[in-house]
Amino acid sequence: GEDVEQSLFLSVREGDSSVINCTYTDSSSTYLYWYKQEPGAGLQLLTYIFSNMDMKQDQRLTVLLNKKDKHLSLRIADTQTGDSAIYFCAISGGSQGNLIFGKGTKLSVKP
Amino acid sequence: DGGITQSPKYLFRKEGQNVTLSCEQNLNHDAMYWYRQDPGQGLRLIYYSQIVNDFQKGDIAEGYSVSREKKESFPLTVTSAQKNPTAFYLCASSGGSNGNQPQHFGDGTRLSIL
Repeated sequence: GEDVEQSLFLSVREGDSSVINCTYTDSSSTYLYWYKQEPGAGLQLLTYIFSNMDMKQDQRLTVLLNKKDKHLSLRIADTQTGDSAIYFCAISGGSQGNLIFGKGTKLSVKP
Repeated sequence: DGGITQSPKYLFRKEGQNVTLSCEQNLNHDAMYWYRQDPGQGLRLIYYSQIVNDFQKGDIAEGYSVSREKKESFPLTVTSAQKNPTAFYLCASSGGSNGNQPQHFGDGTRLSIL
């Protein structure tokens, strides 16, 4: 079945850029999403990209999509301590019409 | 403000007891979902509903039941048949059911065993 892979941890210094990577297997996905989860909370939609786009920028967030390699990335510029959270990549195309989620990347930002 | 409300935030279950988690949305969304989140395992789909009075099993439906009598509400019952219910439960809704619209999430319910 479809699969979404993410590295589990990323640590950066405040003010640096963070890049969170995601690879997926289902090439028919039309929408790809990034969600943020803070401790004890639900998932907050950060941004998404349509499969016919290569890049989408939204303030400090940049999403890059390489369809050939089935690779999605989220870049956070000028990372702040408030960006510390778990970030989930999700793709459309589940067999039940649902989203397929990666296991999440825990971002730690050191002052 | 439109959104998804889950209650309670924390819930404790005794041995052999059924418990029900509430999920209400005022986004006028047709599709609703229940996920289970365990540490290091991401989100796993329990049940989903694309329309009122209809719902489908997800990947880990055993030991759970749902109902969808109203568009706004999608309660999840964790039955005594679920032997390992301790987890964080997330409810979501979306305007479409094919993944081409984002899912919006509630703040979750943490279920523990007494």
